[in-house]
Amino acid sequence: SQQGEEDPQALSIQEGENATMNCSYKTSINNLQWYRQNSGRGLVHLILIRSNEREKHSGRLRVTLDTSKKSSSLLITASRAADTASYFCATGTYSGAGSYQLTFGKGTKLSVIP
Amino acid sequence: NAGVTQTPKFQVLKTGQSMTLQCAQDMNHEYMSWYRQDPGMGLRLIHYSVGAGITDQGEVPNGYNVSRSTTEDFPLRLLSAAPSQTSVYFCASSPWRGGSTDTQYFGPGTRLTVL
Repeated sequence: SQQGEEDPQALSIQEGENATMNCSYKTSINNLQWYRQNSGRGLVHLILIRSNEREKHSGRLRVTLDTSKKSSSLLITASRAADTASYFCATGTYSGAGSYQLTFGKGTKLSVIP
Repeated sequence: NAGVTQTPKFQVLKTGQSMTLQCAQDMNHEYMSWYRQDPGMGLRLIHYSVGAGITDQGEVPNGYNVSRSTTEDFPLRLLSAAPSQTSVYFCASSPWRGGSTDTQYFGPGTRLTVL
């Protein structure tokens, strides 16, 4: 079963606006990652936040993590047409020696209109 | 560095045929994994490996086999292809340090159709 669930499923904004995507998950995690996927391509890693962190920044990206609510958000500021893509959250969990699994949500499809 | 490479890019199989999807990385990463992505879905983990000679099952392992004889290569074998295995397959790798890992580097994917 998929651990993370992104919200909204689709988001359409004007260039220059901010885009916020949310991710909720069900069980304890060690880290949470966000990835971007352009149509028909592989995934590109954006940012990782560990379970003991609350907020992280990378360029125009801001990620928050609330482990008590089992939720995370990804904020893209001053969006550009090139940000048009699908965005996935993925929860990372260690379960014993030599065991690590990354579980993806279904993604948010972001369209930035020039 | 080529990063993570996958071959072939496209493949069409008939039900019951077997084949191997190739994945290779040149970053000396210990952790490698295979995912499948179905339309409108996120990625689901098939199998993963934390080093040569070590493999483990993910969320959807049935119908697939893997082996890891070298650090660089992690092939995925479809034993007897079924239409339900029509999907896009992604391989990924990452460093594995002291039992922990983070950023996954993904290959470009193999688009498989089973008729």
